[in-house]
Amino acid sequence: DSGVTQTPKHLITATGQRVTLRCSPRSGDLSVYWYQQSLDQGLQFLIQYYNGEERAKGNILERFSAQQFPDLHSELNLSSLELGDSALYFCASSVAGDNNQPQHFGDGTRLSIL
Amino acid sequence: QQQVKQSPQSLIVQKGGISIINCAYENTAFDYFPWYQQFPGKGPALLIAIRPDVSEKKEGRFTISFNKSAKQFSLHIMDSQPGDSATYFCAGPFGNEKLTFGTGTRLTIIP
Repeated sequence: DSGVTQTPKHLITATGQRVTLRCSPRSGDLSVYWYQQSLDQGLQFLIQYYNGEERAKGNILERFSAQQFPDLHSELNLSSLELGDSALYFCASSVAGDNNQPQHFGDGTRLSIL
Repeated sequence: QQQVKQSPQSLIVQKGGISIINCAYENTAFDYFPWYQQFPGKGPALLIAIRPDVSEKKEGRFTISFNKSAKQFSLHIMDSQPGDSATYFCAGPFGNEKLTFGTGTRLTIIP
């Protein structure tokens, strides 16, 4: 058990809809990362937050947004969903904000767009 | 964009054999190379990591070898077991950039 909790585990919705994925980091970790994993793209970094502030941005679409709350949990919002957004979305956390720290991953949210 | 090229894409090894997965990178700036192991239905889990001040790190049956001149690093799994069957990812932060993952290697250990 990594200590990172992601909810929900599965999400099925339709094109054009909006969903929110939630992540609770390991106790003591200040940094949260979001990744998208699809069969043909591997693990793609989306965005990182550190202690409530955006730290780094990756290949995140404008239709996607995220935030980290004062209690350090994070939410990833996906809107105007398209079929191609179907993927596994992982959250990871680390103690600090540097990229040379171990990242601990949750078990992901599987998003299916119908 | 920083590239991390991982090979092979899939690998089948007999039980007791040695599994070898390679990663090549482009940038010369680095300070941390982790390897992650992912089982179906689970998130990636940190397996072993190396920093550039050493050329090799061993933890149990898992060894990372680092070749700075060739810009390559490899994961060796000795005495491979069926429980090692998983997908393995190399990764690197390459200086100030985000953690970039390789495309993954699906390892299958057969009896």
